[in-house]
Amino acid sequence: AQSVTQLDSQVPVFEEAPVELRCNYSSSVSVYLFWYVQYPNQGLQLLLKYLSGSTLVKGINGFEAEFNKSQTSFHLRKPSVHISDTAEYFCAVKGSGYSTLTFGKGTMLLVSP
Amino acid sequence: DSGVTQTPKHLITATGQRVTLRCSPRSGDLSVYWYQQSLDQGLQFLIQYYNGEERAKGNILERFSAQQFPDLHSELNLSSLELGDSALYFCASSVGLTLEDQYFGPGTRLTVT
Repeated sequence: AQSVTQLDSQVPVFEEAPVELRCNYSSSVSVYLFWYVQYPNQGLQLLLKYLSGSTLVKGINGFEAEFNKSQTSFHLRKPSVHISDTAEYFCAVKGSGYSTLTFGKGTMLLVSP
Repeated sequence: DSGVTQTPKHLITATGQRVTLRCSPRSGDLSVYWYQQSLDQGLQFLIQYYNGEERAKGNILERFSAQQFPDLHSELNLSSLELGDSALYFCASSVGLTLEDQYFGPGTRLTVT
């Protein structure tokens, strides 16, 4: 079985501050990991993904994430956030041999001026 | 705009009724995935079709069914609706069998009263 835990349901931050959204996963097999963003009243958009290779993954809009196998984590970071980054962020895992994605509960990022 | 279209955007119906949600994948994509997003359950994978054939099944209720037509559009049928079926239903599509590059549609918001 595979599961994802997003440790924070909501993260408030001021504009231009750095942010980290935490994600831990559980899987008995090797994994692919994803971060998606959902803006209000919209579908999900892929931010970045880890399939193999370098553990530091860069995505769109200045976001990056680091795959840490020993800590089973895939935290999302951005060095300086904008008001427009206000959205819900979902971490997801797909184990090899599985054909489906398992999502975390989501983290609402609230950026204020 | 992801290129995936879903209709209708909103749907309000009564308990016990049946509805059909429609999804048109991106041009060239052969796989269609259906997801349910609710406050209680979060984002859950329901079912995947590839080129007309069912390929993977998730937490889809027996009251729900889906199909993919020769023109590759897909329909999700929800019957004997209950209040708890109120949710956002997303469709996603990808070129091949795997979901690493799936693109999400804007969703259909279903309200059961």
